[in-house]
Order: sequence, then structure tokens, then C-alpha cells
Amino acid sequence: GAVVSQHPSRVICKSGTSVKIECRSLDFQATTMFWYRQFPKQSLMLMATSNEGSKATYEQGVEKDKFLINHASLTLSTLTVTSAHPEDSSFYICSATGLAGGDSYEQYFGPGTRLTVT
Amino acid sequence: GQNIDQPTEMTATEGAIVQINCTYQTSGFNGLFWYQQHAGEAPTFLSYNVLDGLEEKGRFSSFLSRSKGYSYLLLKELQMKDSASYLCAPMDSNYQLIWGAGTKLIIKP
Repeated sequence: GAVVSQHPSRVICKSGTSVKIECRSLDFQATTMFWYRQFPKQSLMLMATSNEGSKATYEQGVEKDKFLINHASLTLSTLTVTSAHPEDSSFYICSATGLAGGDSYEQYFGPGTRLTVT
Repeated sequence: GQNIDQPTEMTATEGAIVQINCTYQTSGFNGLFWYQQHAGEAPTFLSYNVLDGLEEKGRFSSFLSRSKGYSYLLLKELQMKDSASYLCAPMDSNYQLIWGAGTKLIIKP
């Protein structure tokens, strides 16, 4: 149980275009979803936290107009990188907490999305 | 401020035992997680400690001392597949995980 999927796993886009990444909890209701970014050999950086049906809370330094997060249901959150630039190339990972059993605050991670902006 | 301190890299031999230490400072504390992350992949859950003491789970054990702000992950009977980064992530008073850069563990035959 407690499976989180992400789609796509890899995406290459041209500079200036927008990319949408989906994060789904497959077998539990995710009350909270987290979006992280990770550059090579660096730690996970929390970008934003979203609760179903409410606006996401963005971390300091993360542009909310550039990284649009929608958490429309208890099983789906999306991250849209708008007007992507090469410096946005990174590994984007979502995680979810919710009614999955086990430790209630455990974050279940999706497999990640490798974004390359050319 | 909040910070995590783990060794950057460790090397161990297949079949041996290795202990990865973590010290932390957080605003409030709601437990500590250990995650494993293979290169190019997302983290996977290993353990969660909220009370002092040792939690054993198969080849992996995790220890917590809240008063010392200290935890360790103990890996026994090391296998080549254990080569990965190990992330110590305490949870602060807002139930937010605090991430460090992790410890890269290299297993040699």
C-alpha cells in the first residue's frame, strides 16, 4: 500500500514553454502533498506544501506564479512549471501524507520527474 | 536555525556493519525519519523514531536520543545494493521534514 505515482518520469521541453507534472496517491487519500526539487548531489528542497482544496503554501524564494500547484482532489496534485528556463532543469519529486496507515506523518514519495529545459 | 549534520560520505565492505550518525537542531520535534535514496531515484522510507531508543527492522536499525539531538542508522550484513545516500530527516513543530544533504554510502566487495 501507500503508492504514489508521478507522470511523466522524464520530460524535455524548450525554453519558454510550460510543463505539467502530475502526482497521484494510488491507494490512499493524500490530505497533504509536498513538492520538492533536487539538484545533483544536493539535498531535497521543499518548494511547497498543498492541502486538498486549499491554496498551496510556498517556501521562501519559490515563485508561486512560476510554479503553479493545484491539489484538486485527495488523490491528485499537479505542479506546472510555467515559462520554463534551463535553470529550472532539475529532479522534481512529490510526496504525500494521509490516511495510509503506519506512521501518520510518513511521507510517501513518488518516483520523481526529471525535467530538462533546452 | 534548523540544521542537520551527517557525514558526507562513508565506505564499508560487503557483509560488514556500518553506523551512520546524525545530529540535528530543529524548532520543535515530532520524530525523525531515515530515508534511503539511490542515485536518480526518489527517497524511500526506512524508519521513524519518535521516542528514545532503538528500533530494529531487519538488517536496519535506527536509534534516537532526543535530549542529545542525535540519531544513528545501523546497517548490518551490508549488500552491494545498500550503496545509496541515507537521509536523516527530523520533523519540526510544524510537522515539516528538515532535509540535509545525506550520507553517501559506498559498499566495496
